[in-house]
Amino acid sequence: ETGVTQSPTHLIKTRGQQVTLRCSSQSGHNTVSWYQQALGQGPQFIFQYYREEENGRGNFPPRFSGLQFPNYSSELNVNALELDDSALYLCASSLGRLGMNTEAFFGQGTRLTVV
Amino acid sequence: GNSVTQMEGPVTLSEEAFLTINCTYTATGYPSLFWYVQYPGEGLQLLLKATKADDKGSNKGFEATYRKETTSFHLEKGSVQVSDSAVYFCALSDRTGNQFYFGTGTSLTVIP
Repeated sequence: ETGVTQSPTHLIKTRGQQVTLRCSSQSGHNTVSWYQQALGQGPQFIFQYYREEENGRGNFPPRFSGLQFPNYSSELNVNALELDDSALYLCASSLGRLGMNTEAFFGQGTRLTVV
Repeated sequence: GNSVTQMEGPVTLSEEAFLTINCTYTATGYPSLFWYVQYPGEGLQLLLKATKADDKGSNKGFEATYRKETTSFHLEKGSVQVSDSAVYFCALSDRTGNQFYFGTGTSLTVIP
């Protein structure tokens, strides 16, 4: 059973506002990745944090930013929200980089609606 | 670059029918390949994986074989159940290990 928890589960924001999404990684996991899943699409990689440092970033603008804390929990911040930011935001935690013997566990996601 | 292409849905099958969902990939080097499943209102769950050519991943009656020569990782199940209704995502991770590349997902509905 996954131990990755995300909050809030649902959120409605107005265009131009800022939002913070939170993720608690599975116990012992030091790597957190964030994905955006638009309706009917596959998840798209936003960025990854490993031991509090950004360790790779996808094709997202700088208004998408993140943090990882010493307990390895993480935040995703999005500034100047746009209607196209409406999506399910998924957090995944793993012990180290994805690889042959590393499994990533996903949270249930935060559904963000921008109106 | 890295990318995954999977069969478009939706797919509707009768219970006990045979399932195939096609997945092909483009990658530099030797990626690891995955199938994830997403049930309604939930996050992604790992279904199976394969980390090198000719490996077969299997779980809960589902199987997929890593075919380097055809760059494919097709998902199969011999007899589907209503409880298999979900969206299935094919994905790869490359050797940098910092991200998954997902396909667009295939929605499966199994009717009694």
